[in-house]
Amino acid sequence: EVQLVESGGVVVQPGGSLRLSCAVSGFTFDDYAMHWVRQAPGKGLEWVSLITWDGGSTYYADSVKGRFTISRDNSKNSLYLQMNSLRAEDTALYYCAKAHYDSGGYIPHWGQGTLVTVSS
Amino acid sequence: EIVLTQSPGTLSLSPGERATLSCRASQSVSSSYLAWYQQKPGQAPRLLIYGASSRATGIPDRFSGSGSGTDFTLTISRLEPEDFAVYYCQQYGSTSYTFGQGTKLEIK
Repeated sequence: EVQLVESGGVVVQPGGSLRLSCAVSGFTFDDYAMHWVRQAPGKGLEWVSLITWDGGSTYYADSVKGRFTISRDNSKNSLYLQMNSLRAEDTALYYCAKAHYDSGGYIPHWGQGTLVTVSS
Repeated sequence: EIVLTQSPGTLSLSPGERATLSCRASQSVSSSYLAWYQQKPGQAPRLLIYGASSRATGIPDRFSGSGSGTDFTLTISRLEPEDFAVYYCQQYGSTSYTFGQGTKLEIK
């Protein structure tokens, strides 16, 4: 069974930094690209970032480009999202999600999310 | 960036009725790389349809997807009580994996 468990969500001040983690199990992690998707309270889904199976390519939404960095450690079956220069509009539930294939694609599996709140 | 616009914003129907949800793209979606997801309150999204018309594993056949280019449709042939939720389309044909803003399907 595919499992994706996010952690690291906390309350942080504007301008602060945070690192989210996602521990995965139930599939061969380094065969698949991985996404981060977020959802602000009461709002819709917003795609944030994608990393290919080997970490060789990364992609970002314009809203986070230059502030967020996606990475992975295939030896630890873990995905990360380094979030810098946080803004109030980054407040959201952040989902870790498994892509359909090694370089991207749709999302067949989702975690349950970790909540990031940016507030003073 | 491809912008996806879903309509209507809210759809009010009764169990047993047919639901038709629309997703329109600002430019052509490559190779019909369009997916649909269902999200219920307090839950993560669930994949329903990929490749515009292929049902994901375990999805009942009352759900169907169609379309190509810039216009896509999700149809639920006969609504069951558990189908009332929010539905999102997503394109994955470019490296900016945009979602639509969602359609809320509510009980009339």
